[in-house]
Amino acid sequence: DIQMTQSPSSLSASVGDRVTITCRASQSISRYLNWYQQKPGKAPKLLIYGASTLQSGVPSRFTGSGSGTDFTLTISSLQSEDLATYYCQQSDSLPLTFGPGTTVDLK
Amino acid sequence: EVLLVESGGGLVQPGGSLRLSCEASGFYFSGHWMHWVRQVPGKGLAWLTRINEGGGGSSYADSVQGRFFVSRDNAKNKLYLEMNSLRADDTAVYYCARDSHHSGMDVWGTGTTVTVSS
Repeated sequence: DIQMTQSPSSLSASVGDRVTITCRASQSISRYLNWYQQKPGKAPKLLIYGASTLQSGVPSRFTGSGSGTDFTLTISSLQSEDLATYYCQQSDSLPLTFGPGTTVDLK
Repeated sequence: EVLLVESGGGLVQPGGSLRLSCEASGFYFSGHWMHWVRQVPGKGLAWLTRINEGGGGSSYADSVQGRFFVSRDNAKNKLYLEMNSLRADDTAVYYCARDSHHSGMDVWGTGTTVTVSS
């Protein structure tokens, strides 16, 4: 199975800050990497697929990059509505696996 | 509006069985692979199973292989998860999700809670 790790596990930031979350796969997954946002008590929401393609309706302050084993999700200017937990997920091979999540809260 | 609505969760004793349903609306259900994903309260997401458009092909996580069975009824726009030999560590919120043609899971239900306890 492909193991996904994320760092940091949590971070505190201020509105307007640039936030970067890293995801690493235990083996190469090309660009088969998706990012999800989950707010408390809500279902996850797809933000980015294929490592860097923004899902329809997602604000452009979210960007994804990377390939192979190392990936990054960046929020260029954090907004209060971005406070959530972010998960990466590989779709290269079964079983599909998620990272452990990164919780973003307000400093 | 594109919607997925799960139902069937509840309290079940260890060793028991439960069948979850997921009703789809607002899109061509038969044209999408579908997934089940669960989340233990306070923990991360875990993929369980997926089924292809026609229902003839499915895959499972090792943790549920042989105990859980996914199926679908395209005429009713419904996805199912039959869960057997339930254990305490199956306690979780269960989500169904639509596969966006292998570009992530782009539509999620609101989830249904399964509690396995005596």
